[in-house]
Amino acid sequence: GAVVSQHPSRVICKSGTSVKIECRSLDFQATTMFWYRQFPKQSLMLMATSNEGSKATYEQGVEKDKFLINHASLTLSTLTVTSAHPEDSSFYICSVLRGGNTQYFGPGTRLTVL
Amino acid sequence: ELKVEQNPLFLSMQEGKNYTIYCNYSTTSDRLYWYRQDPGKSLESLFVLLSNGAVKQEGRLMASLDTKARLSTLHITAAVHDLSATYFCAVDFAGNQFYFGTGTSLTVIP
Repeated sequence: GAVVSQHPSRVICKSGTSVKIECRSLDFQATTMFWYRQFPKQSLMLMATSNEGSKATYEQGVEKDKFLINHASLTLSTLTVTSAHPEDSSFYICSVLRGGNTQYFGPGTRLTVL
Repeated sequence: ELKVEQNPLFLSMQEGKNYTIYCNYSTTSDRLYWYRQDPGKSLESLFVLLSNGAVKQEGRLMASLDTKARLSTLHITAAVHDLSATYFCAVDFAGNQFYFGTGTSLTVIP
């Protein structure tokens, strides 16, 4: 499998501030990473596909100006939640694509916006 | 519309019993995945099913895929408490874009 880390694991911020979440592929170079959001007791919803060196592809209904994704290197993708509000509180999970058809998931980041 | 539905959503079963979780999806795909999630944790990969008729087994869990029926099953044999978790299926509809099922919360009781 692949080793994926996320930082931070938990973050609490005030409404109106921005929060950056990092996703790192630790043991191989990932051209494609994915970002998901999971509300309590719900399923995972794909937010966007992050491609190294190009713009992310966002799913319908996900505001690209609010959820900024940068995939600057083959081992790092970042998700920035801009001007966060309480309704953005969620569990954010990234994954990396390896072997053409298998995704390996990071440990997740729990965001709480006060 | 792309939909992935699981049933049941909640399952409480006694140790030692067998049960099956179902995953139905709306559009043709021959890639289906099963994951386990423990409370507050991320996803652990259980099975990757990549063709019609694929069957995979690991311990007390067995997964199968029928692409014609757009159905996958996760069968639990002789359940034990350690299997308590939420189980998700995920379907790859559009080339490495996963759409997750609604999840099945499993509780195994003594």
